[in-house]
Amino acid sequence: AQKVTQAQTEISVVEKEDVTLDCVYETRDTTYYLFWYKQPPSGELVFLIRRNSFDEQNEISGRYSWNFQKSTSSFNFTITASQVVDSAVYFCALSEGWGYGGATNKLIFGTGTLLAVQP
Amino acid sequence: DGGITQSPKYLFRKEGQNVTLSCEQNLNHDAMYWYRQDPGQGLRLIYYSQIVNDFQKGDIAEGYSVSREKKESFPLTVTSAQKNPTAFYLCASSMGGTPQETQYFGPGTRLLVL
Repeated sequence: AQKVTQAQTEISVVEKEDVTLDCVYETRDTTYYLFWYKQPPSGELVFLIRRNSFDEQNEISGRYSWNFQKSTSSFNFTITASQVVDSAVYFCALSEGWGYGGATNKLIFGTGTLLAVQP
Repeated sequence: DGGITQSPKYLFRKEGQNVTLSCEQNLNHDAMYWYRQDPGQGLRLIYYSQIVNDFQKGDIAEGYSVSREKKESFPLTVTSAQKNPTAFYLCASSMGGTPQETQYFGPGTRLLVL
């Protein structure tokens, strides 16, 4: 069964601290895709990254970095030198399959982590 | 400016009333989706459409209906059969309907019951 777990409900840090948001997933499929989205107070989900199951390279984009480890079924997200503008709810999500045989783009979301960055 | 628009931003429903939430995209995407978000929870899929004139139920379709008559439009109707409709509704679209496609989201509609 598909499942995404974000065990951290809320995290509070002071500006300039580094923070890691955890994401653990469950899937029986060998082909799958992992996503991170940011939901600021306005409500719209903003796409941050997509990673497929065959690519375990870590990725860095400015102050953001992602650590994908298949051995532990984790896809963690780190913000370096956090800023107040990083305050938001962050969601990890999973989709499975090749897209053939009727597989569809159904995203399974975790419950989200609320990050509060204090000035 | 390409993107997804949802209207209205806030919607109030009276008991026994059907209401329709609008979702429009000008990204030329084939697939569109409706999600529901309740406080402290992740998003749950209501309906999705991979192509015009075709749509499938998601995990929580009861009490909802959709149509996909045009590629750019995917309206969601919350019927009186939906007993707990108060939630934040998000529309999304993707280039195709396969698992590797990234879904992009609209700004959402907050539905409240009077």
